Amino acid sequence: KNEVEQSPQNLTAQEGEFITINCSYSVGISALHWLQQHPGGGIVSLFMLSSGKKKHGRLIATINIQEKHSSLHITASHPRDSAVYICAAPNTGNQFYFGTGTSLTVIP
Amino acid sequence: EPEVTQTPSHQVTQMGQEVILRCVPISNHLYFYWYRQILGQKVEFLVSFYNNEISEKSEIFDDQFSVERPDGSNFTLKIRSTKLEDSAMYFCASNGPSGQEKLFFGSGTQLSVL
Repeated sequence: KNEVEQSPQNLTAQEGEFITINCSYSVGISALHWLQQHPGGGIVSLFMLSSGKKKHGRLIATINIQEKHSSLHITASHPRDSAVYICAAPNTGNQFYFGTGTSLTVIP
Repeated sequence: EPEVTQTPSHQVTQMGQEVILRCVPISNHLYFYWYRQILGQKVEFLVSFYNNEISEKSEIFDDQFSVERPDGSNFTLKIRSTKLEDSAMYFCASNGPSGQEKLFFGSGTQLSVL
């Protein structure tokens, strides 16, 4: 049983396309994190959100607490966006549940 | 920008040996975490640590694992008797002051158990 489910697992897009990655969770969470794992393995936090929507540059994250669902959108995708995007949900005790990741490849 | 620092970047050890993975979290952060990622698999939570105590741990974090903040800056993960299946990338992360902020990750320690 996966407490956090992501879709799609793999995604290939043409440069410039609008991309959406989805995350659904079944645990009671205090917030939801979107992470980016670079091809070299390093992990960077993109967003932490507990309600509504956040935007940073071309990235937008939304969360619907009632539906237990979050989305990460990338507008005007670029090859440098190619990475694995991971959704992570901590419970109120900060035990984290991770999605399996979405591997994104953006083709020039 | 402040960084979480992990050492060593690579560690090779023989099965049954003890290893200590080291992390220096960001100085004003209060919550510390260890995660691991076995090659080709998803990131897994090991443990969270706050106020010099473990606040949560996963089923993976059995008696072979321990964490310590020995000197107010370092945060260590010890594996007492390594097994082949402990081979993975181990990431340290921190956030704070409430634990409800973005996580800052170290660059990881690749542990190979032979």
